[in-house]
Amino acid sequence: GAGVSQTPSNKVTEKGKYVELRCDPISGHTALYWYRQSLGQGPEFLIYFQGTGAADDSGLPNDRFFAVRPEGSVSTLKIQRTERGDSAVYLCASSPGKTSGGDTQYFGPGTRLTVL
Amino acid sequence: QKEVEQNSGPLSVPEGAIASLNCTYSDRGSQSFFWYRQYSGKSPELIMFIYSNGDKEDGRFTAQLNKASQYVSLLIRDSQPSDSATYLCAVGTSGTYKYIFGTGTRLKVLA
Repeated sequence: GAGVSQTPSNKVTEKGKYVELRCDPISGHTALYWYRQSLGQGPEFLIYFQGTGAADDSGLPNDRFFAVRPEGSVSTLKIQRTERGDSAVYLCASSPGKTSGGDTQYFGPGTRLTVL
Repeated sequence: QKEVEQNSGPLSVPEGAIASLNCTYSDRGSQSFFWYRQYSGKSPELIMFIYSNGDKEDGRFTAQLNKASQYVSLLIRDSQPSDSATYLCAVGTSGTYKYIFGTGTRLKVLA
């Protein structure tokens, strides 16, 4: 079916505002990842879901960041009290979830977040 | 020390030449290694992965893994201008789904 989709593609917000970024993974993929990529850097791991639960959230930078995946499919990354330093491309990826440490991830197009 | 290191480049090669991209990693428990290509303004797309020591070939691409030396490389034969992109190395470890990416190497293939 379709690949990983993310909405919105671009989000401009003001410092201090709340934003939600959405990810729709490939159908049947149980594993879902959020990454953040700044210019000139590789993707930085934020959080990983296996099914509905966050199996590893060690990459979330602070408690302003939160992510959910209530039904084991679509995920939402939520950022409270946005700061200019949060500006980046937020990438979502999904994988079949069958091989720990060896699953192939497929990336969505990303959401470019700009905090003014 | 960064967990996954890549030379940022740019690496410039003439069209038709072999491009060699390298990646080193620090965690000896790492077991899976991925190469992604990322065009400017686009998301990463998987080129190939390798799990075992040695070479793995897929068309014009060859991945080479040396676990003893903790490095993995990607060779691109007959480089084309369309190969110009940033190449990201990603490393996975058994027991975790947390993958660590390098900063990427920018490749320029000159026509």
